[in-house]
Amino acid sequence: DAEITQSPRHKITETGRQVTLACHQTWNHNNMFWYRQDLGHGLRLIHYSYGVHDTNKGEVSDGYSVSRSNTEDLPLTLESAASSQTSVYFCASSVTGARSWEQYFGPGTRLTVT
Amino acid sequence: DQQVKQNSPSLSVQEGRISILNCDYTNSMFDYFLWYKKYPAEGPTFLISISSIKDKNEDGRFTVFLNKSAKHLSLHIVPSQPGDSAVYFCAASEFGNEKLTFGTGTRLTIIP
Repeated sequence: DAEITQSPRHKITETGRQVTLACHQTWNHNNMFWYRQDLGHGLRLIHYSYGVHDTNKGEVSDGYSVSRSNTEDLPLTLESAASSQTSVYFCASSVTGARSWEQYFGPGTRLTVT
Repeated sequence: DQQVKQNSPSLSVQEGRISILNCDYTNSMFDYFLWYKKYPAEGPTFLISISSIKDKNEDGRFTVFLNKSAKHLSLHIVPSQPGDSAVYFCAASEFGNEKLTFGTGTRLTIIP
């Protein structure tokens, strides 16, 4: 069965360190998204990609970067982790065109920055 | 600027009764609306959607109503079941734009 996976599921890191969160999908979807979930803010879009070598900034992109070298993966990098980036991170993917609004989410990565 | 708002952070409903979750939006360019459901330690999953050309969409126990003039949508769950206890997110998208804007979520608790 097709799926979307995230790793690690839990991560504790120190302020200032670079951290990369992995996202891998086997749906063969062109669209991939990264969100963070925080109490009182819901799901906020960090970065998204509509295909290989395409990346776009979302509403809370400062301090984060992504790259898309193949269809299956969209890793999220925190260049220099800050305590404000403590959150739960979700990756999602969707088809292009009809039903593109139906996003399939991974299980999430809980990141703690100390 | 929160373009999609869910003003009730939590809601408790007796099992068997109707649950009504509300969502308001400010962006008049939104033309597709969705509800996602999220259990603890899992990612959100798509539940039901509605196009702006409709005012109602029904799928089993779940019905979504859209009032475009009021920029308001609601999700009705009838009858409510214990397995419906979850966080519900309202989301919206603009025509031709494949990204979603999510609300802050409402935690629904069904009381047995």
